[in-house]
Amino acid sequence: DAKTTQPTSMDCAEGRAANLPCNHSTISGNEYVYWYRQIHSQGPQYIIHGLKNNETNEMASLIITEDRKSSTLILPHATLRDTAVYYCIVRGYSGANNLFFGTGTRLTVIP
Amino acid sequence: KAGVTQTPRYLIKTRGQQVTLSCSPISGHRSVSWYQQTPGQGLQFLFEYFSETQRNKGNFPGRFSGRQFSNSRSEMNVSTLELGDSALYLCASSLEVAGAYNEQFFGPGTRLTVL
Repeated sequence: DAKTTQPTSMDCAEGRAANLPCNHSTISGNEYVYWYRQIHSQGPQYIIHGLKNNETNEMASLIITEDRKSSTLILPHATLRDTAVYYCIVRGYSGANNLFFGTGTRLTVIP
Repeated sequence: KAGVTQTPRYLIKTRGQQVTLSCSPISGHRSVSWYQQTPGQGLQFLFEYFSETQRNKGNFPGRFSGRQFSNSRSEMNVSTLELGDSALYLCASSLEVAGAYNEQFFGPGTRLTVL
């Protein structure tokens, strides 16, 4: 699986967009980018995933660069409940149930 | 629909004992994965079961084992507990639709403390 690099921590003002970057320069053609988050003391929660096109759902948007070497998760209007550790994971569909979470980015939404 | 449930939620054991943790997946989900989360190592994959068979295994010693029953419920067992086994143990289930990404739904975890 391709390795990912994320900033250790980020702050975001409540109501503003939170942009969480992820580098995955060794991603291969059949690997997807997944995002999960873990709110303190809870199990991780799936957010979104994508291959090469930008994706949007009710929680977030995922922007993947054309060369697929990096991506950005966007929470359009961050709330205090979005304070969590966000994990960027690169994996193929096959065997996608054994996820490597890495260290993630601790996002703190500030009132 | 009920989420993934794990029992017990908290457990205290002493070194050398063994422990069994239980996970009930979301109804209809056939895959169950187990993860260990510690402050030092983060979230690490233990193993995955599908249709009562272990399908994937992480890099953990043989003291860690698991099984899955015909109703998809799963148990994991840790024998000869060590202090370093203190962790949050998370279970995740997924539906398993071929050719699609199957989102993993995580339970609240079992917090194991080894004294």
